[in-house]
Amino acid sequence: GAGVSQSPRYKVAKRGQDVALRCDPISGHVSLFWYQQALGQGPEFLTYFQNEAQLDKSGLPSDRFFAERPEGSVSTLKIQRTQQEDSAVYLCASSLARGQTYEQYFGPGTRLTVT
Amino acid sequence: AQTVTQSQPEMSVQEAETVTLSCTYDTSESDYYLFWYKQPPSRQMILVIRQEAYKQQNATENRFSVNFQKAAKSFSLKISDSLLGDAAMYFCAPTHAGGTSYGKLTFGQGTILTVHP
Repeated sequence: GAGVSQSPRYKVAKRGQDVALRCDPISGHVSLFWYQQALGQGPEFLTYFQNEAQLDKSGLPSDRFFAERPEGSVSTLKIQRTQQEDSAVYLCASSLARGQTYEQYFGPGTRLTVT
Repeated sequence: AQTVTQSQPEMSVQEAETVTLSCTYDTSESDYYLFWYKQPPSRQMILVIRQEAYKQQNATENRFSVNFQKAAKSFSLKISDSLLGDAAMYFCAPTHAGGTSYGKLTFGQGTILTVHP
């Protein structure tokens, strides 16, 4: 089947605008992760879902960041009142089940540029 | 909290030769996994190899192998018979085990590998 997909692939937002980034995980995958990757850096954890439950949001940098996965499949990461420091690639990853033994499959990412 | 250090921002290798990428990490956990991920210029992250911390035997996956030194918290990646397609950014990433044990990854800063023909 298809891998993890993300849309849009590129997003340019003016400072202060709200954006919504979508992630379609591999069908049947229970776990879903969001990571933020600044240019030339390694990804940093934002949040984790098990099915529709958001079990860890400790990596969200501020209350302007909000993520949901209402039906346990597609997930949306929303950033309100975007700031220049939000410019990064946002990666989504899914894995078959909960637990560290399961490989995470990554999407291509959404590159967000805030001007 | 876990920390991961990849001390080589860039490495280069001739095609068909061998290169080793280094990684050290700090964790207070005893049960965890370690991963090497590859991110080609298209940016889709791909798993290269994984190591279970409780296993003493080093993992091997075709041309890729690791040297895992648990006491030293070192986890290096060796790429043998390098191919042009191995050129990418490589990330070392241990998981968080803990009570919830859901596999959150902590990534290093990455090493850019260039392969020369």
